[in-house]
Amino acid sequence: DTGVSQDPRHKITKRGQNVTFRCDPISEHNRLYWYRQTLGQGPEFLTYFQNEAQLEKSRLLSDRFSAERPKGSFSTLEIQRTEQGDSAMYLCASSLGLGLAGGNEQFFGPGTRLTVL
Amino acid sequence: ELKVEQNPLFLSMQEGKNYTIYCNYSTTSDRLYWYRQDPGKSLESLFVLLSNGAVKQEGRLMASLDTKARLSTLHITAAVHDLSATYFCAVDMKTSGSRLTFGEGTQLTVNP
Repeated sequence: DTGVSQDPRHKITKRGQNVTFRCDPISEHNRLYWYRQTLGQGPEFLTYFQNEAQLEKSRLLSDRFSAERPKGSFSTLEIQRTEQGDSAMYLCASSLGLGLAGGNEQFFGPGTRLTVL
Repeated sequence: ELKVEQNPLFLSMQEGKNYTIYCNYSTTSDRLYWYRQDPGKSLESLFVLLSNGAVKQEGRLMASLDTKARLSTLHITAAVHDLSATYFCAVDMKTSGSRLTFGEGTQLTVNP
């Protein structure tokens, strides 16, 4: 299967702990996005990478959140000192990034569901 | 700030009936996407609409885009139970790395 993969699929943690999620995009995709989705809502953008460069971060991404894509392949999203409000589904997506003229269809991974107790 | 609104948010319909889901967005964009999400699952790409007047069809679903009205529609023809899911439209911002701004989603239930 050459789709987007995420690990772990579920994570339960206690408030104050740090967690790290991993995303492996589709191999030829140079853009990688992180979104967060809470129950009953659409996904909200967090950040994105073009190759290894992090080009944009949402205001939703507080200082406790950090994302990396060290070699332009997989990415990690770390949340430090987790809070109950961080409980959500964290979705990763990748795309070819064809530019303004073409589409930028994003393909989503299965998500990591985080529960902070 | 780009806003995307869908209506209805909840839709319960009988098998065999037709219905339309509407997606309005607030600023200029020529690219609109429709996704499907089953409970507890990730998002599946359905349609990519890249220009004014674009129309795409797949099975019982047809999507269209009117960029002048900033409106997209997802039309369901002769609904079947397997179409029960949440449908999201999303718009990307040309000036912002094509990150997607999603609507709230339309939760569709097709009853026998």
